[in-house]
Amino acid sequence: QLQLQESGPGLVKPSETLSLTCTVSGGSISSSSYYWGWIRQPPGKGLEWIGSIYYSGSTYYNPSLKSRVTISVDTSKNQFSLKLSSVTAADTAVYYCARDVFASVTIDYWGQGTLVTVSS
Amino acid sequence: SSELTQDPAVSVALGQTVRITCQGDSLRSYYASWYQQKPGQAPVLVIYGKNNRPSGIPDRFSGSSSGNTASLTITGAQAEDEADYYCNSRDSSGNPHYVFGTGTKVTVL
Repeated sequence: QLQLQESGPGLVKPSETLSLTCTVSGGSISSSSYYWGWIRQPPGKGLEWIGSIYYSGSTYYNPSLKSRVTISVDTSKNQFSLKLSSVTAADTAVYYCARDVFASVTIDYWGQGTLVTVSS
Repeated sequence: SSELTQDPAVSVALGQTVRITCQGDSLRSYYASWYQQKPGQAPVLVIYGKNNRPSGIPDRFSGSSSGNTASLTITGAQAEDEADYYCNSRDSSGNPHYVFGTGTKVTVL
């Protein structure tokens, strides 16, 4: 059974960079069938897709966040990572990593999510 | 702002049928996927493609699409179906970016 687990600091200061890692187990991140993505959800609000990456390193990002987002992949560790720069309180959210079935236009496996709070 | 619009809330009597809709221009070109989210939990995929259910999803969940509107139907709603439901698909720009709907809170009475 595929599992995804987010890890990283739960508190980030304003103007700094948020960094999270997703570890994939029960399957290979190098599968040709999938992208791997990040989605966030501010407290009490809806879901927002951040971006996705292919094992080769090819990425696509939400245009509204593109200038601040970097997603990278480490196939040797079966991990992918998110960096979001110049954070503000508006970036406070639960961040989910997930498997993106690009060809089917769907996201089929999700991590449990991790709350990141932006505060001084 | 979301390019996929959902009704904020609907209610359904136990055992009855409820339909949740999702509207957006991109739905003329792409199918919607539907996710169930219970409080404090990650979303769970319930419908994708034309009308596909992942393993373990009860067959009381079904999907359909017409024009710019996608629908999720719960036939014979159970108490455990009370949750937030989100649709998602590509955006309408022609790029492969995902967008999510605004979400619908389903209350089972």
